Amino acid sequence: DTGVSQNPRHKITKRGQNVTFRCDPISEHNRLYWYRQTLGQGPEFLTYFQNEAQLEKSRLLSDRFSAERPKGSFSTLEIQRTEQGDSAMYLCASSDRTLRNGYTFGSGTRLTVV
Amino acid sequence: KNEVEQSPQNLTAQEGEFITINCSYSVGISALHWLQQHPGGGIVSLFMLSSGKKKHGRLIATINIQEKHSSLHITASHPRDSAVYICAVSPYMVYGGSQGNLIFGKGTKLSVKP
Repeated sequence: DTGVSQNPRHKITKRGQNVTFRCDPISEHNRLYWYRQTLGQGPEFLTYFQNEAQLEKSRLLSDRFSAERPKGSFSTLEIQRTEQGDSAMYLCASSDRTLRNGYTFGSGTRLTVV
Repeated sequence: KNEVEQSPQNLTAQEGEFITINCSYSVGISALHWLQQHPGGGIVSLFMLSSGKKKHGRLIATINIQEKHSSLHITASHPRDSAVYICAVSPYMVYGGSQGNLIFGKGTKLSVKP
C-alpha cells in the first residue's frame, strides 16, 4: 500500500469551470475525510465518509461542492462553477473506524482559480 | 476565539536548540494529534495521544487533559525539522454525533538554521 494518493497534485482552472479531485485511501481504511486549507491557515473539515456513507458535512461545503465515495473505496470531490475563493489546498485523509492508528493524509491537491 | 490555539506562530532556532511548541484547546477531546506539514503540502502524523507522554526519536509530545494543553518538544533540532507543526483535536461527542471531525490549529512555522 502506497498510502493515501490524491490526484491531481495541482489544478489551475478558470473561474466558472467545474473541477473534480480524486482520493485513493489506504485500502484497509473505511473512513475517508476531506479538508480544505488556505494559505497560512490550518486545514478545515469539509466532509467525511464511513464506507460509502457520507456521515458528516461542514457548513463550509456549499451546494457547489459535492463528494462521493460510491463503492467505499476511492472518493471524488467536485466543485462546480469555481470561484476565486475556492483556491486552496484540498487534503484527503483516511483512517480505520477505531482511529487506533490515527489519520493518514495525502499530499493534497492545490487548486488555483484564475 | 479558535477552539485550538497554538503558540508561537513562527519560531526560528539554531541547529541543536531545544524547541517547544504549545497547543491549548477549549473543547472536550478524545485525542490530540501533532502533525508535520512540509512546504509541498503533505501532512505526516507524528503523534496521537489522549494522556501522558509519547516519545519518538527526538520528538516528545505531552498532554495535560485537566489543563487542556499539549506541548511538542524537539531535542537537538536540525534544519530538516523545518516545517509547519500543526496541533489538531478529535472532539468528544457525548450524545451521538461523530468523531470524524478534526479541529486544527493554525500551525507553527519552524525554521531551524544551520
